[in-house]
Parts: sequence; C-alpha cells; structure tokens
Amino acid sequence: DVKVTQSSRYLVKRTGEKVFLECVQDMDHENMFWYRQDPGLGLRLIYFSYDVKMKEKGDIPEGYSVSREKKERFSLILESASTNQTSMYLCASSFTPRTSGRAADTQYFGPGTRLTVL
Amino acid sequence: AQKITQTQPGMFVQEKEAVTLDCTYDTSDPSYGLFWYKQPSSGEMIFLIYQGSYDQQNATEGRYSLNFQKARKSANLVISASQLGDSAMYFCAMREGRGDYKLSFGAGTTVTVRA
Repeated sequence: DVKVTQSSRYLVKRTGEKVFLECVQDMDHENMFWYRQDPGLGLRLIYFSYDVKMKEKGDIPEGYSVSREKKERFSLILESASTNQTSMYLCASSFTPRTSGRAADTQYFGPGTRLTVL
Repeated sequence: AQKITQTQPGMFVQEKEAVTLDCTYDTSDPSYGLFWYKQPSSGEMIFLIYQGSYDQQNATEGRYSLNFQKARKSANLVISASQLGDSAMYFCAMREGRGDYKLSFGAGTTVTVRA
C-alpha cells in the first residue's frame, strides 16, 4: 500500500512565524504535490515537484515556498505565516506513468495538516 | 473559468439506496482523466475511481460506478447500496493532457447516509 505521511495532524502558529510542513512518501513516486483545502473551494494546488530539486508553481503559490532535497520528501514552507493561511494542507504523490494505463497517475494523499495561524 | 463543477453542496441518502453525485468538467484537451475521491471526517483523501477520456466503457469499482457522458462533459459518481460508512465529502477531479500530472478539483459534495 502507498503510504504518504505528514509531520503533524494539527499545528498552531503565530503570525510572522516561519512554518515547515513535511511530507514523506514511501513508494518511490516521482511527483509530489501540496494543496490547501478551504470550505467551498475544494483543493487548490500550491506547488508541485516532478523530481528532486525541481519545483513548479501551482495555482496559489504566493506566500509559500517548497523544498525537495530527496525524492521521498517534499516540504512546504510558510516564510512568514499570516492568518489567511489558516487552512487544511494536504500532500500527495504519484508515479509518472511510462505507459498510459488505468489510473496510472493516481495521486495518493497524506492525512492532512490542519494549520491555525493566530 | 471553473474546470470542475460540483453543484450539490450536500445530499442525504437512505441506507441501502443509490445516490448520484454530479460532476461537470471543462477542457479543450482531448486527453484527460477524471478522478473521484472520498474524504471522511478524518481528513484523508481516498481514491475511489478513474475514467480516462478515451475509455470506451464506464468505470466501475465495487459499489462505485462512473456515469461518463463525454458529449455533455459530465462524470457523475454513482454509489449503490449506500452504507453508513459512505458518509463523507466527495471530490471530483480532472487531469488534463498526458504530460502534466496536476489535478483540478471541484468544491466537493457532502453525503450523509441515514439509517
């Protein structure tokens, strides 16, 4: 079974703090993703990575950065947390399919981190 | 423009009955994939079912089936014989093209199964 873990289920931080959210997957997936989930908005992509040291901006990258130094680990960084970054953060990973196949690039998600910024 | 639209914020269904969750999508790419995920109150997103744009038949996985109507750009999820454990939020998502593995998600539909 695919296992994606996130460092914390719940996190409370103060405005202006630097926040690190860690994600680790154990399936040797090439692709990793960070989303935030807000009521009524679904999941929105923040950043993603196709390979080690590679990163691409998603739909809402402002206020965030990422790091991928090892294939299995993808970190989301809030340089200076703000109250509007209070949200649920979900990490996911997937294969890069070599051939088209049924759900070959399915994304598998971690349990999520509920971040509150006070 | 919204790529994925789920128009039902919440639904109630009686145990053992079937329920259909609506999803419409918008893309001009001929190659795309459609996914449904379940998110229980615990928060983890669970993959349910996948439909490729070139798949000739509707996808099925156990009690889940996908009613894929390509011309209407709809990909509705049907859950048959609902169980109390099906109470959750359900998300429809789309991946466009073959070389980009990003997903666009809808706003979700909350399903509550009544005993």
